[in-house]
This record gives sequence, structure tokens and C-alpha cells, in this order.
Amino acid sequence: QVQLVQSGAEVKKPGSSVKVSCKSSGDTFSSYAISWVRQAPGQGLEWMGGIIPIFGTPNYAQKFQGRVTITADEAASTAYMELSGLRSEDTAVYFCSRDMFRGLYYNCALDVWGQGTTVTVSS
Amino acid sequence: EIVLTQSPGTLSLSPGDRATLSCRASQSIASGHLAWYQKKLGQPPRLLIFDASSRATGIPDRFSGSGSGTDFTLTVSRLEPDDFAVYYCQQYANSPPYTFGQGTKLEIK
Repeated sequence: QVQLVQSGAEVKKPGSSVKVSCKSSGDTFSSYAISWVRQAPGQGLEWMGGIIPIFGTPNYAQKFQGRVTITADEAASTAYMELSGLRSEDTAVYFCSRDMFRGLYYNCALDVWGQGTTVTVSS
Repeated sequence: EIVLTQSPGTLSLSPGDRATLSCRASQSIASGHLAWYQKKLGQPPRLLIFDASSRATGIPDRFSGSGSGTDFTLTVSRLEPDDFAVYYCQQYANSPPYTFGQGTKLEIK
């Protein structure tokens, strides 16, 4: 069974950047879109963007354009999300997740999720 | 971008009750491309329902989804203590971007 394992919690200063990793334990990593979703304290779920590893092309939510960079390393079966220009409002739990079906690329539900990475932005 | 509005914001019920959660879309969602997730504190979201009415693997039949177009419903029959959580709907008909509703908190009365 596929698992997504994320990197550990981070504490960052305002204005800095954070990079979170998401490693897939199974094969066929490249054929599924990987999305990044965050949840700020007391708030709902928010899609930030995603990537299709086999194509290497990221898609970003408009809100995060210019501040987020999503990449994937097929050989390492790992996706990355880097968020720059951090501010206190970016304090949240960040999740990676995978499309439910191979090849549908953002046209299906998300059935496998990482455990979440807490990012705290504080001076 | 499709906006999803969930109601009610909070639902207070007792174990054994039936819960009905609503998700309304700002425009029609093609092919019923809507999912429901359960979210508990400190855990990742858990997929319950996809394609509006199909249960994900391992989800008990107490959970059911229905609806089409702009109006969708998640029903939980015979609530169990473990069912009290926050529930989110998500559309994937016009994505990216994925969009989520703001959530419905199901709390114990």
C-alpha cells in the first residue's frame, strides 16, 4: 500500500523560506498528480498546487503564484513544496496528497495523504 | 473557480442519530466530480466518498453521498462516537485548482 511520508516540523522567521518533502513508498510515483494542501489553525483545507512528476509541470493556486515552488524527483519518488516570503499567516499544517487514479491528473479525489508537516512562522 | 458552500457550519447530534450535511456549488459540477473527507485534529483528511456517491475503500456503509449539479449531500446514519469530526466537500470537475468547502463540524450534543 502506498504511503506518503513527509519531512518534520519547521520553525521559520518571517521573510524566510521553507521546503517540505513528501516521499512515496510505492512505485508508479510518476503517474499520479501530487497535490499540496494546507490547513491553518482554526481554518479549512486550502489547495496550494500540485505536480505531475512524469511531466514535471506544476500547477499553482492563484493565491500562491510567485511564492510557491513545487518540484518532483522521480528517481527519489519525492515531491517538494517550497514557500518563500513567509509570514505569520503561513503558520499551518502542510499536507501532500495523491490522486486516487493514475493518469487522471487532478480529475479525481485524493485518497492517499501524508501525515502533515507543521510549519510555524514566528519572529 | 467553483466555490463550495457547506451547511450547516456546526451540527450538534447524539450517537445513534442521522446526520445530513450539505454542499452547494456556485456552478454545476460535471459528472458529479465531488468528494467528501473526514478531518480529525492531528490527522490527515480521510477520503469517504468520491464521484458524489461512491464509497472509498474501507468506508462503512453508514456513510453515503448523493446529489448532482450544484447540490450534494453526505449522510451518516446511526452516528458512532468516532464519527464526530469536521467534514469537507471538494470538487475536481474544473481543476486545477481543487476547491474545498469551508467545512461542517459534527459535534456531540
